[in-house]
Amino acid sequence: DIVLTQSPGTLSLSPGERATLSCRASQSVSSRYLAWYQQKPGQAPRLLIYGASSRATGIPDRFSGSGSGTDFTLTISRLEPEDFAVYYCQQYGTSLGFTFGPGTKVDLK
Amino acid sequence: EVQLVESGGGLVKPGGSLRLSCAASGFTFSTYSMNWVRQAPGKGLEWVASISGTGAYIYYADSVKGRFTISRDNAENSLYLQMNSLRPEDTAVYYCAGDPPQYYYDSSGSYYDPSYYFDYWGQGTLVTVSS
Repeated sequence: DIVLTQSPGTLSLSPGERATLSCRASQSVSSRYLAWYQQKPGQAPRLLIYGASSRATGIPDRFSGSGSGTDFTLTISRLEPEDFAVYYCQQYGTSLGFTFGPGTKVDLK
Repeated sequence: EVQLVESGGGLVKPGGSLRLSCAASGFTFSTYSMNWVRQAPGKGLEWVASISGTGAYIYYADSVKGRFTISRDNAENSLYLQMNSLRPEDTAVYYCAGDPPQYYYDSSGSYYDPSYYFDYWGQGTLVTVSS
């Protein structure tokens, strides 16, 4: 099974700063099958990025995704107050189904 | 407006059963692969099960295989999860999540596959397994 590792576990930043979140896979993942979600307390996850780099509908352009193979990155260019949340990467592995990373919490410094 | 509304959660004893439902509206339900994703209290997300738009293809996480059954009724725009032999570690918020169709076109017409991500989510229903 493919295991996703996210780092750091917690990222403490201030509004206006740049956030760089990493997602590393235990083996190569097709970029087509790599997505990122945002989750705020008490809310369902929200799709941010699919296909490693495509923004979902309505997602601001300060969010961007990149990477290939085993290393993927979610970047938030300038943090807004509403961006403080937990972020999960997710991959699809054919008959093995879907796997989520453990999450990175972006909190207020 | 797209809506996914889960119901059926509650408190159940270990070894018991529960049936979750998810009512969908605002999109073409029959073209979406549908999924159940759960989140234990204070923990991360765990995919539980998937069912294709026609219901022909079904997949489960190893942790629930043989105990849970996913199904759908496209006429009613509804998704279900029958959970049997419940364990304390099944305690979680259960979300239904939609996987949109990826359309392809060739000389014989059009067809679609799942996109392999979840663009629609419900608000979740809490299942607590405890004696």
